[in-house]
Amino acid sequence: QVQLVESGGGVVQPGRSLRLSCAASGFTFNSYSMNWVRHTPDKGLEWVAVISSDAKTIYYTDSVKGRFTISRDNSKNTLFLQMNRLTAEDTALYYCAKEWKLHYWYFDFWGRGTLVTVSS
Amino acid sequence: EVVLTQSPATLSFSPGERATLSCRASQSISNYLAWYQHKPGQAPRLLIYDASNRATGVPARFSGSGSGTDFTLTISSLEPEDFAVYYCQHRNSWPLTFGGGTKVEIK
Repeated sequence: QVQLVESGGGVVQPGRSLRLSCAASGFTFNSYSMNWVRHTPDKGLEWVAVISSDAKTIYYTDSVKGRFTISRDNSKNTLFLQMNRLTAEDTALYYCAKEWKLHYWYFDFWGRGTLVTVSS
Repeated sequence: EVVLTQSPATLSFSPGERATLSCRASQSISNYLAWYQHKPGQAPRLLIYDASNRATGVPARFSGSGSGTDFTLTISSLEPEDFAVYYCQHRNSWPLTFGGGTKVEIK
């Protein structure tokens, strides 16, 4: 069965960096686009970034452009999110989410999330 | 950016009642809208895709409708497990966005 397991979250000071990982199994990882979506109690769900199956197409939400970098290693079935210059506004539970089917930008499988807390 | 507005933020129902949730887009998004159910401590669950199609395994009491800018999720008869937060999400253009969510709580 499909499994997505995020890791790398933690408490970090404003301005610092963090790298999240998402280990995927149970499906053909290199055939699907992958996404990061974050959740806060106040704002709800917020889509963060997407990377195509071949890593040639990448999009970000405006608030993270220039600070976050999404990448993937298809040989290791792993998705990454490099987060730089973190601010309190980035505090959230970060989910990785699998594209439902090719170019249908909905999410059918999600991990359990990894918590990022930006605080001094 | 397409802004999705879900209102009200909270709706209260008794089990067995019919629930109708609204999602309004700031511009036309055709039928490119999904609905998710999100419970505390769990991953969101895809319920409806392209406005009116139930995802695999979703009970028939969930239905979606709408196109353009106005969309509706209907739960015909609320079961205890349906009390959760519901989000809409579009795939019309980049960036993808979610609505702010509607919490369906027990009256």
